[in-house]
Amino acid sequence: NAGVMQNPRHLVRRRGQEARLRCSPMKGHSHVYWYRQLPEEGLKFMVYLQKENIIDESGMPKERFSAEFPKEGPSILRIQQVVRGDSAAYFCASSPRTGGYYTFGSGTRLTVV
Amino acid sequence: DQQVKQNSPSLSVQEGRISILNCDYTNSMFDYFLWYKKYPAEGPTFLISISSIKDKNEDGRFTVFLNKSAKHLSLHIVPSQPGDSAVYFCAASVGWETSGSRLTFGEGTQLTVNP
Repeated sequence: NAGVMQNPRHLVRRRGQEARLRCSPMKGHSHVYWYRQLPEEGLKFMVYLQKENIIDESGMPKERFSAEFPKEGPSILRIQQVVRGDSAAYFCASSPRTGGYYTFGSGTRLTVV
Repeated sequence: DQQVKQNSPSLSVQEGRISILNCDYTNSMFDYFLWYKKYPAEGPTFLISISSIKDKNEDGRFTVFLNKSAKHLSLHIVPSQPGDSAVYFCAASVGWETSGSRLTFGEGTQLTVNP
């Protein structure tokens, strides 16, 4: 049973480009969470999604960031017009139910140059 | 506002001794607390948790203590092993089992266990 798969593991983008981060949850998990870890900081909640629904996006920056979890396929975190401050590790987690323990993926390390 | 704080960025202990990692929180609405361990270039892995209705939870070498009046929790690892060397994150949630909601993480403590 594969764990939470995130790709790419490393992503380099120039300022102004778009970044697309993908997350395939564990089999049977319908709840997906995205967290961001800035250097020397803890993980910060961004968004919580269930299939085709955004449940809680209170941690998402108001502009340039969006997330989706379609009926088919992985969850996508999209960052438009990236800036240097977006450089961070982005972690996805999944759980099988409300209150179920998260399983985290290995993260995508985004570097904006 | 940092609602969950881990004031020690690092801790070094000898193999076989006890490791005590501390965490303080400010939000009295938190009702569920978790500890995660993280190795470099990997995602956090769940270690142990405690509900606010308890003051202690034990799992093998790991014990978490919760002091609600002090808004403080701690993770004890006994005996410590070199493989325990990792970053440990404390996390808290409001309504974990009902709303499956977000976790608020501390900044992490780097534990190094020396052979």
